[in-house]
Amino acid sequence: DAKTTQPPSMDCAEGRAANLPCNHSTISGNEYVYWYRQIHSQGPQYIIHGLKNNETNEMASLIITEDRKSSTLILPHATLRDTAVYYCIVTDSGGSNYKLTFGKGTLLTVNP
Amino acid sequence: DAGVIQSPRHEVTEMGQEVTLRCKLISGHNSLFWYRQTMMRGLELLIYFNNNVPIDDSGMPEDRFSAKMPNASFSTLKIQPSEPRDSAVYFCASSLRQGQETQYFGPGTRLLVL
Repeated sequence: DAKTTQPPSMDCAEGRAANLPCNHSTISGNEYVYWYRQIHSQGPQYIIHGLKNNETNEMASLIITEDRKSSTLILPHATLRDTAVYYCIVTDSGGSNYKLTFGKGTLLTVNP
Repeated sequence: DAGVIQSPRHEVTEMGQEVTLRCKLISGHNSLFWYRQTMMRGLELLIYFNNNVPIDDSGMPEDRFSAKMPNASFSTLKIQPSEPRDSAVYFCASSLRQGQETQYFGPGTRLLVL
């Protein structure tokens, strides 16, 4: 009952922008889009989240389509250390029984 | 800020033995989550607590698994008796409050049951 769909893998050249897509066509009005990543052998790391507006922080930008059925995580200048599995998660913020459900994610490989 | 601390980082044990994994939350955080990660099943939520109270334990595989929060900053996950299929990486994570989805994960405990 995955709420999101992501490509299993992507490649990116070092220094270029990495654009990771996510489809969440069944998202409801009170659900946020969260992105986490997991570098090999480490725990997952929060990247960014948003509801309907585009968001930017020191790590990445999140672009959410107007209908909210899809989003794109952008790493503006990918480095080798950005090689990781990236998870797109849809969740009901503030819900009484919320939880993060991790799918298979996208393995991003940044090549030199 | 030391982040979420887990111990041990690695554990090798024999089938049938009791295993206890430990987690220290980030100071001031009130929600605690235990996850298990395997190649086959990915990252699964086992149980989570809010203010020391278990809220959802539907992910706990069976009665051999138990989790507690003896105080606001510490949690244990116990497996007794352990089985080879319990081999996995176990992560704990904490967040500031329930409904706060920004979770901060520990480095994980790699468990191997022989």
